[in-house]
Amino acid sequence: KQEVTQIPAALSVPEGENLVLNCSFTDSAIYNLQWFRQDPGKGLTSLLLIQSSQREQTSGRLNASLDKSSGRSTLYIAASQPGDSATYLCAASWGDSSYKLIFGSGTRLLVRP
Amino acid sequence: DGGITQSPKYLFRKEGQNVTLSCEQNLNHDAMYWYRQDPGQGLRLIYYSQIVNDFQKGDIAEGYSVSREKKESFPLTVTSAQKNPTAFYLCASSIINRPFGNTIYFGEGSWLTVV
Repeated sequence: KQEVTQIPAALSVPEGENLVLNCSFTDSAIYNLQWFRQDPGKGLTSLLLIQSSQREQTSGRLNASLDKSSGRSTLYIAASQPGDSATYLCAASWGDSSYKLIFGSGTRLLVRP
Repeated sequence: DGGITQSPKYLFRKEGQNVTLSCEQNLNHDAMYWYRQDPGQGLRLIYYSQIVNDFQKGDIAEGYSVSREKKESFPLTVTSAQKNPTAFYLCASSIINRPFGNTIYFGEGSWLTVV
């Protein structure tokens, strides 16, 4: 069964700290993996999409990596700010059903001023 | 502005009632999706559609129904057969472009509560 797991469920850090969010998946034959941000009571905003042939993607202070052999992806946030406080979800799709995203339960991040 | 509009934002359902959540997109996307999110959990796929007049069940389709009569619209009906409908519902859309992966765009969500 294809599953996506995110640990920890919640994380609190002081402003300015660099941090890493973790995502693991059970089937290494991944098609792509996406990271999303969700603010309370809102929809999801796509942050980064990594195709299976890629190892990482960068956007501003965000860097996402993909290691298919170990079944892991990480989202690195540099110089965290209070405005980064949100829930971060990763989602993966596999080639036999690339339309279908399987979501992790998310990591709720709090960046303290 | 281009985007996905969901309505209503908040909806209350009485026992035995059917309710319909609206989803409209002006992104010219072929694919549309409905997800359910329970507190502290990820999203689960209810239904998806890749083309007008066609749709497929996701992982938790029981108690839900959809239609896709227009490319822009993908309404979700929560029927009385759905025994635990209280949740946050998210509509999404994407381009179907397999070689590049499918960046997906979400609406702002609709809260459904059973009273």
